[in-house]
Amino acid sequence: SAVISQKPSRDICQRGTSLTIQCQVDSQVTMMFWYRQQPGQSLTLIATANQGSEATYESGFVIDKFPISRPNLTFSTLTVSNMSPEDSSIYLCSVARDAGNTIYFGEGSWLTVV
Amino acid sequence: AQSVTQPDIHITVSEGASLELRCNYSYGATPYLFWYVQSPGQGLQLLLKYFSGDTLVQGIKGFEAEFKRSQSSFNLRKPSVHWSDAAEYFCAVVLTAGSSYKLIFGSGTRLLVRP
Repeated sequence: SAVISQKPSRDICQRGTSLTIQCQVDSQVTMMFWYRQQPGQSLTLIATANQGSEATYESGFVIDKFPISRPNLTFSTLTVSNMSPEDSSIYLCSVARDAGNTIYFGEGSWLTVV
Repeated sequence: AQSVTQPDIHITVSEGASLELRCNYSYGATPYLFWYVQSPGQGLQLLLKYFSGDTLVQGIKGFEAEFKRSQSSFNLRKPSVHWSDAAEYFCAVVLTAGSSYKLIFGSGTRLLVRP
């Protein structure tokens, strides 16, 4: 199994500011992902965090808005830049093993932008 | 395009009644399929998953799902719903591209349970 810790768990932020969310896994994993869940919506994949290289972003998400770091196989950060109320969401970190057979999710970071 | 579809936005059932939540996928190869549940204000919980083999998969909380390749479906079922089953249910599929892969979610189905 894999235990995922996300920080912060919740935050209220002022518009125009940036917030960095951390994701720490208790063991090495190859694949790490970041998702966004807007209020009342499903989970949307933001990007795959690649260790040692730039993240792979999904359509509609760009590095300037959501810069991601992955310095090693157990840690990643997602920054939400220049926030607006539309960025109020749950941001979830996810890791995968066994070619996608097993996927784990963190508890999420609940972000409110005022 | 590869995708997963949950055609029902809301479903309401009476407590004790049976339940079926629909999930359809669009994917060339045999997919890895998942069902997750999310209660209000809570995180995701994995109910069950399918990779290969027996097409009827048993999960937690009395749920099961059946993979039907001919219909590109992976519907979730429960014979008798409890009030505590009221939640949002997500079907998801792992999409692969070479050595990389990613998990894509359907839009979700909100289950309401009548007493």
